[in-house]
Amino acid sequence: QVQLQESGPGLVKPSQTLSLTCTVSGGSIISSDHYWTWIRQHPGKGLEWIGDIFYTGTTYYNPSLQSRLTISVDTSKNQFSLRLTAVTAADTAIYFCARDAGRFGIDVWGQGTMVTVSS
Amino acid sequence: EIVLTQSPATLSLSPGERATLSCRASQSVDSYFLAWFQQKPGQAPRLLISDITNRATGIPARFSGSGSGTEFTLTISSLEPEDFAVYYCHHRNNWPPSGTFGQGTRLEIK
Repeated sequence: QVQLQESGPGLVKPSQTLSLTCTVSGGSIISSDHYWTWIRQHPGKGLEWIGDIFYTGTTYYNPSLQSRLTISVDTSKNQFSLRLTAVTAADTAIYFCARDAGRFGIDVWGQGTMVTVSS
Repeated sequence: EIVLTQSPATLSLSPGERATLSCRASQSVDSYFLAWFQQKPGQAPRLLISDITNRATGIPARFSGSGSGTEFTLTISSLEPEDFAVYYCHHRNNWPPSGTFGQGTRLEIK
């Protein structure tokens, strides 16, 4: 059974870079059937798709975040990562990593990690 | 960019009643990529329905999805106490690949 776990700092200063890693266990990140996805949820708000990556390294980003966003994959560690530069308070959110099985839906989610942007 | 609009924003019902949640897309979507999620406080969303109508593994039969084009519906035939939560619809655009969520419907106990 595939499980995902986010890790990274819970507090980031304004203008700095937010970095999170998602570790995939119970299965391989090398899969032609799945995208590996980042989604965030502002406090008390709805869900926002950040972007995703295929195991080959091909990425797709939310246009509203694209200029600040990098998603990468490390198949040797079975991990994928998110970097968001020049953060502001508006980037304060719960960040989820997830597995997107296309027509079969986003079927596996990490528990989420709260990231606060504050000095 | 496709926008998903869910209605109502809040739905107040009693256990045993039928719940009908709506998701309207701003343009016709690729049907295969319409899904529904349930989220409870402090938890990650859980996949309920994919491909418009297919229940995910372990999802009770009281949950069903329907629709096509721009109009989609999640129906809960007889509400159980554990069904009171927030529900989101989601569309994965095939090209360019991207994801969009509706703003959510809060299902609360009346």
